Amino acid sequence: DIQMTQSPSSLSASVGDRVTITCRASQTISSSLNWYQQKPGKAPKLLIYAASRLRSGVPSRFSGSGSGTDFTLTISSLQPEDFATYYCQQSYSTPPTFGQGTKLEIK
Amino acid sequence: QAQLVQSGSEVKKPGASVKVSCKASGYNFIGYYMHWVRQAPGQGLEWMGWINPNSGGTNLTQKFQGKVTLTRDTSITTAYMELSRLQSDDTAVYYCARGLRTPYDSSGYPLDYWGQGTLVTVSS
Repeated sequence: DIQMTQSPSSLSASVGDRVTITCRASQTISSSLNWYQQKPGKAPKLLIYAASRLRSGVPSRFSGSGSGTDFTLTISSLQPEDFATYYCQQSYSTPPTFGQGTKLEIK
Repeated sequence: QAQLVQSGSEVKKPGASVKVSCKASGYNFIGYYMHWVRQAPGQGLEWMGWINPNSGGTNLTQKFQGKVTLTRDTSITTAYMELSRLQSDDTAVYYCARGLRTPYDSSGYPLDYWGQGTLVTVSS
């Protein structure tokens, strides 16, 4: 199975900050990388697929980049509703494994 | 707008089985694979498998083979996940989620619509 490693595991930031979360795959996955946001007690929401494709309806302050083994999720200007846990997921091969999550907290 | 609505929370004893339902609406049910993902308390996301609602074919990760059965009823656009021989470490929230295929990712593994989750608690 492909292992996905996110960093950092947790992050404190303020409203308006620019934030970057990194996801590394244990082997190359081309651009088959997705990002999800999960708030406490709620189901995850797909934000970005195919590394950089913004899902319809997701604010443009979210962006994704990378290919091969290294990927980033960037939030250009944090809003209060962005404080949540973020997961990456590879969709290159079965099983489609997730990273361990990055918890974004208010500073 | 696609919507997935899951059945309610369950409390089961060790050794029992549980069957979780996922009612789909707002889209062509047989046109998208349905996936199941679980999340143990305070933990991350774990993909379990998918069912092709059109053919009934399934793909389960090795860990769940022999323990999980995925089925569907196309007449009522509902998918089911049955988990057998429950143990305490099966305590988790179980989600169904629709698989997305796009020109940029045809794998079907990006999950674009999720159910609200079903908490299964295994306790003696």
